[in-house]
Amino acid sequence: DGGITQSPKYLFRKEGQNVTLSCEQNLNHDAMYWYRQDPGQGLRLIYYSQIVNDFQKGDIAEGYSVSREKKESFPLTVTSAQKNPTAFYLCATTTGGYTGELFFGEGSRLTVL
Amino acid sequence: GESVGLHLPTLSVQEGDNSIINCAYSNSASDYFIWYKQESGKGPQFIIDIRSNMDKRQGQRVTVLLNKTVKHLSLQIAATQPGDSAVYFCAEIPNQAGTALIFGKGTTLSVSS
Repeated sequence: DGGITQSPKYLFRKEGQNVTLSCEQNLNHDAMYWYRQDPGQGLRLIYYSQIVNDFQKGDIAEGYSVSREKKESFPLTVTSAQKNPTAFYLCATTTGGYTGELFFGEGSRLTVL
Repeated sequence: GESVGLHLPTLSVQEGDNSIINCAYSNSASDYFIWYKQESGKGPQFIIDIRSNMDKRQGQRVTVLLNKTVKHLSLQIAATQPGDSAVYFCAEIPNQAGTALIFGKGTTLSVSS
């Protein structure tokens, strides 16, 4: 089946630890995105990549890092520099170019203890 | 600045009623709008989209209306069902190549039997 796979679905970490969230897609889409969602809030853009080996900061990139070494994969690292990392993280893809409909993964919920 | 917002954070309706969810946007250069539905603990799913050269578009039980004069977008759901209970987001994309979608904060629709 074609789709977007995010893992893990739930993740707990201690303060001061880095954690990497995985996003894999087999839709052959060029563009991939990471959004953060807090309770009662909309989706805020962290990073996006429109092509392999290239990515741009979104509105809230501080404390996060990404890589795009393969078209299928766009992992997000939440670093210890992110002051309030507890949130629901969503990965999305689109065919690229003039962005239209986003296809979302099921999300990863990160809780910092 | 650019922003997409919704008039009401929550909306409660009875099963069978029609629902209207509203959204105001601020960027007059935006020319593509999408409504997403997000069920609890899941990623958002595409409902319907509309381009700025249209003022109405209909889908199955849903209609999106766009009023560019007052920069207002609405989603109408006919004969609302309990399965329609979710958070609904509007999203806009400014007319700039490669720009990611900007999401509003969402309206929580609760449907009671």
